[in-house]
Amino acid sequence: QVQLQESGPGLVKPSETLSLTCAVSGYSISSGFYWGWIRQPPGKGLEWIGIISHSGSTFYNPSLKSRVTISLDTSKNQFSLKLSSVTAADTALYYCARRILATAFDYWGQGTLVTVSS
Amino acid sequence: QSALTQPASVSGSPGQSITISCTGTSSDVGGYDSVSWYQQHPGKAPKLMIFDVSNRPSGVSIRFSGSKSGNTASLTISGLQAEDEADYYCSSYTSSSTQVFGGGTKLTVL
Repeated sequence: QVQLQESGPGLVKPSETLSLTCAVSGYSISSGFYWGWIRQPPGKGLEWIGIISHSGSTFYNPSLKSRVTISLDTSKNQFSLKLSSVTAADTALYYCARRILATAFDYWGQGTLVTVSS
Repeated sequence: QSALTQPASVSGSPGQSITISCTGTSSDVGGYDSVSWYQQHPGKAPKLMIFDVSNRPSGVSIRFSGSKSGNTASLTISGLQAEDEADYYCSSYTSSSTQVFGGGTKLTVL
């Protein structure tokens, strides 16, 4: 069974960098598929952040592209999200997920809440 | 990229059918047969219900079906059940090789 688990600080100060990691079990991320990050501000809808392929190719939401970096660590079977220069608008529940087709995320983590506040 | 347009809410009685629309442009919904639908219960992660416009993942009830016409995709739930009450999100591939979600629709089972 594929499982994903997000981890990282729950509180980040404005202007700093948000860093999250998604640990994957039950599947080797270097074997295939894309791996992605999606966020959901409290009480609002889903926002696609970006994806990374098993070989390291990345695609980002144009509205976040200048601040986002997604990377792989195949030795630890995990992938990461970095979002720089955060503001209160970046406060959200952050999910990691496995993408099997163009828009189909079949396995999701439980999500981790990140609050941006001083 | 702009979010796809979904109705904020829909409702139906048990046993009835409802349809949720998802409108985009020729650069996303209309240009690709890569539309997915997700169900999200409160406090839970989204669950994939439909992929590639009309395909159901293993384990998803046949009461859920998807279709597309032009720039609008639709999710239909037949034989509405209390457990279907949730938020529903559509998602489409885009011409920029990215993905965009709809704003979400709250389904209420009366």
